[in-house]
Amino acid sequence: NAGVTQTPKFRVLKTGQSMTLLCAQDMNHEYMYWYRQDPGMGLRLIHYSVGEGTTAKGEVPDGYNVSRLKKQNFLLGLESAAPSQTSVYFCASRNRVPQNTEAFFGQGTRLTVV
Amino acid sequence: LAKTTQPISMDSYEGQEVNITCSHNNIATNDYITWYQQFPSQGPRFIIQGYKTKVTNEVASLFIPADRKSSTLSLPRVSLSDTAVYYCLVVYNDMRFGAGTRLTVKP
Repeated sequence: NAGVTQTPKFRVLKTGQSMTLLCAQDMNHEYMYWYRQDPGMGLRLIHYSVGEGTTAKGEVPDGYNVSRLKKQNFLLGLESAAPSQTSVYFCASRNRVPQNTEAFFGQGTRLTVV
Repeated sequence: LAKTTQPISMDSYEGQEVNITCSHNNIATNDYITWYQQFPSQGPRFIIQGYKTKVTNEVASLFIPADRKSSTLSLPRVSLSDTAVYYCLVVYNDMRFGAGTRLTVKP
């Protein structure tokens, strides 16, 4: 049982380049989330999805886009990377039922923009 | 606007009970209170959740007063391996983590 898998684990981008981070979950979860975590800081919510075909903005959505074309996948895109987007990115998923707040996290993607 | 407020850091010693209190004055009727633990270089891990009163599991207890404007995570007899960041969240659809409380357990 893989749980939540993030691809890639590490990436170095040049300023202005684009990339897509993939989050895949095999638990049939409805809810999925993308976070960024800067050194010494808490996680900040970028975007989230409450089901296939739906997305919503979180706390820090600027500079990112997301898509949830398939229930098991949640993609995070950076159209034009900036050094300020250097961070560790975490994906998470959880069941649809609101009173079940147990989310499962991926191992993280460490992104450096130079 | 932050949904929760908790202490930035706490220190304790092995074998002591640790209580971390979180304030969530604007909690909505549908929100649940949940706590996560995070170790360096790892994603957060679920500890416990509750709606009101007291909840206990194998690793922690969660105390929620009747007005639900605060909650207290209780960790019994902490060990060095409990050194981590602890996050309090109020959750319905989105999940926002805040800064967390950095707990350091000393020998």
